[in-house]
Amino acid sequence: GAVVSQHPSWVICKSGTSVKIECRSLDFQATTMFWYRQFPKQSLMLMATSNEGSKATYEQGVEKDKFLINHASLTLSTLTVTSAHPEDSSFYICSASQGRLTNYGYTFGSGTRLTVV
Amino acid sequence: GQQVMQIPQYQHVQEGEDFTTYCNSSTTLSNIQWYKQRPGGHPVFLIQLVKSGEVKKQKRLTFQFGEAKKNSSLHITATQTTDVGTYFCARGLQGAQKLVFGQGTRLTINP
Repeated sequence: GAVVSQHPSWVICKSGTSVKIECRSLDFQATTMFWYRQFPKQSLMLMATSNEGSKATYEQGVEKDKFLINHASLTLSTLTVTSAHPEDSSFYICSASQGRLTNYGYTFGSGTRLTVV
Repeated sequence: GQQVMQIPQYQHVQEGEDFTTYCNSSTTLSNIQWYKQRPGGHPVFLIQLVKSGEVKKQKRLTFQFGEAKKNSSLHITATQTTDVGTYFCARGLQGAQKLVFGQGTRLTINP
């Protein structure tokens, strides 16, 4: 089955620094990947759609300059949280699909737990 | 709008009891997907429903899609401790690939 690898699984950073999170599709090509944010005991909130070779599409209310997304290849998308602050602490998860919505659904990475101190 | 409402928010059952979570939309859904997220884990795809009135089963799990394609349900028969987790429904937006998730139902089980 499809596998999505996300790294790192957890990170602690100081306020004001930047953190990069990687999301890789290991056995399939993903022209589109998605980045979600999840607060404790809450649902997944879509932040942005990452498109290979073009600019990401951000959801309303998500700051483009704060959450930089790069999708430079068919198997890799990165999310950089710039100038992180404690309120950015959250669980960030990426997902990808092998094609348009299919019976295979979306495969999620294992997530990155970001703590900003 | 695009949101899907999911109830209940929490459900605690005794092991062996049944469990049901419901997902409702004010607009017609092109499809509905269900995911399970174990505590501390990431969402795992369970199933996709596309057809009006569709019913699919996976062992003790039964998934239904309403005739009007505005609601869906997941029913677990005779819960086991391995069923613990949060169950999310998610709608696919027609014309787009992105998913919009419901609020989730967190299932806890007393062994």
